[in-house]
Amino acid sequence: EPEVTQTPSHQVTQMGQEVILRCVPISNHLYFYWYRQILGQKVEFLVSFYNNEISEKSEIFDDQFSVERPDGSNFTLKIRSTKLEDSAMYFCASSINRDSGNTIYFGEGSWLTVV
Amino acid sequence: AQSVTQLGSHVSVSEGALVLLRCNYSSSVPPYLFWYVQYPNQGLQLLLKYTTGATLVKGINGFEAEFKKSETSFHLTKPSAHMSDAAEYFCAVSDGEGGSYIPTFGRGTSLIVHP
Repeated sequence: EPEVTQTPSHQVTQMGQEVILRCVPISNHLYFYWYRQILGQKVEFLVSFYNNEISEKSEIFDDQFSVERPDGSNFTLKIRSTKLEDSAMYFCASSINRDSGNTIYFGEGSWLTVV
Repeated sequence: AQSVTQLGSHVSVSEGALVLLRCNYSSSVPPYLFWYVQYPNQGLQLLLKYTTGATLVKGINGFEAEFKKSETSFHLTKPSAHMSDAAEYFCAVSDGEGGSYIPTFGRGTSLIVHP
C-alpha cells in the first residue's frame, strides 16, 4: 500500500539552527499537510499546501516556518531558527482531495529535539 | 469552531475485555468524524470515519464507533481487546465550516492491554 515517508525520523538540533524536515507524499495525492504534536499535547495542524502554494495555515505557522515542494516528489518543512518550544513530533500527510470526509494519510513522523 | 475532547489520556484493559475510548466533539454544523490509530514507531492510520448515513461505523481490526448527535459523541469500541491493540488512538473532527476542511484532532488516548 502506498505510504507517506518522512526523513529524518529523529533530529537533534541546537537552538537557533535551521532545520529541514522532508516528506514524500503518496504519488497521486494533490494536497499536502504538516501537523505537529508536542509531547503530551494535541496533534496540531500547521499548514496545508496545494498547487504549489499554501492553502491554509494555523496561527502556529509563523514566519519561522516555510514549506516547499522543490521537485515532483518531495515536500519540505523548514524551521528557520529553531526554539526550544519547537521540540515536537512533526507529521507530514497527504490526501487526494480536501472534502471534509476525505481521508488524510500520515507519515511516521519526524521527532525534532531542540537543545 | 470545531473541537474534540478525548476523555482519559490512558485507558487500561485486560486482554479479552471490552475496549471503550471516548470522544466528544463540538461543531456548529454536521461533522465528519474520524478515529486514527498510531502504533509504536508508526504514523497515524485511519481506523474508521463517519461521513453520512449509518451512524454505526465499522472499521479495521474489529473496531467500531457510533455517531450520536444528541450526545455529540463518537466513542470507539471493540468487544474484545487483543495485545496488538495497544497503541495511541486519536479522534478527529472536520466540518468544512468557513471553507476549511482541515480536521482537528484530540489529545489522544493511550490504550494499554494487560495479559
